Amino acid sequence: TQLLEQSPQFLSIQEGENLTVYCNSSSVFSSLQWYRQEPGEGPVLLVTVVTGGEVKKLKRLTFQFGDARKDSSLHITAAQPGDTGLYLCAPKVGGTSYGKLTFGQGTILTVHP
Amino acid sequence: GAGVSQTPSNKVTEKGKYVELRCDPISGHTALYWYRQSLGQGPEFLIYFQGTGAADDSGLPNDRFFAVRPEGSVSTLKIQRTERGDSAVYLCASSPRTGYSTDTQYFGPGTRLTVL
Repeated sequence: TQLLEQSPQFLSIQEGENLTVYCNSSSVFSSLQWYRQEPGEGPVLLVTVVTGGEVKKLKRLTFQFGDARKDSSLHITAAQPGDTGLYLCAPKVGGTSYGKLTFGQGTILTVHP
Repeated sequence: GAGVSQTPSNKVTEKGKYVELRCDPISGHTALYWYRQSLGQGPEFLIYFQGTGAADDSGLPNDRFFAVRPEGSVSTLKIQRTERGDSAVYLCASSPRTGYSTDTQYFGPGTRLTVL
């Protein structure tokens, strides 16, 4: 059973600040996805990373997959109130479990204007 | 275009009752997933359909939970003899194909189930 840890669990910051959230495990993943979920809505895919060491940018969001494919980070530059939400990582392993997502507990981000 | 829809959006029931939760996936999507999300937690996998068949039901917590997808489109999650611990948001997701680790799953808004 893989153990998946997201940190921090809660993050409350002012508009314009930078932040990083982390997703760590002892297991090696074939790929990893990051989702954002707003209250009353389902999660929405932000990015998929596949290659160890991969860095992807989505406007002010930067995603990195660890070299060993056991961890990932999400960095937000100059956070805005619209970034508020629950950020979830969902790694995937190969084999028969590939059809489903296993989510971390998530990081609840609040950006104050 | 139409996304994944779920009905009802909210369901309040009494302990011991039977409930059905419906999911309408994006048209043409062959893969359909059910997840359950408790307050303050990430979604937890329940069951995954490839077409009409349940390809992986390893996440169903016990035999009170059952799901069907008879025609390969709409799916219904059925919970018998509901318990207070079943209270959660039940999310449905669909994707255009299955078996690929990089597939995008499109989520519905969920059904909030409250068991009194």
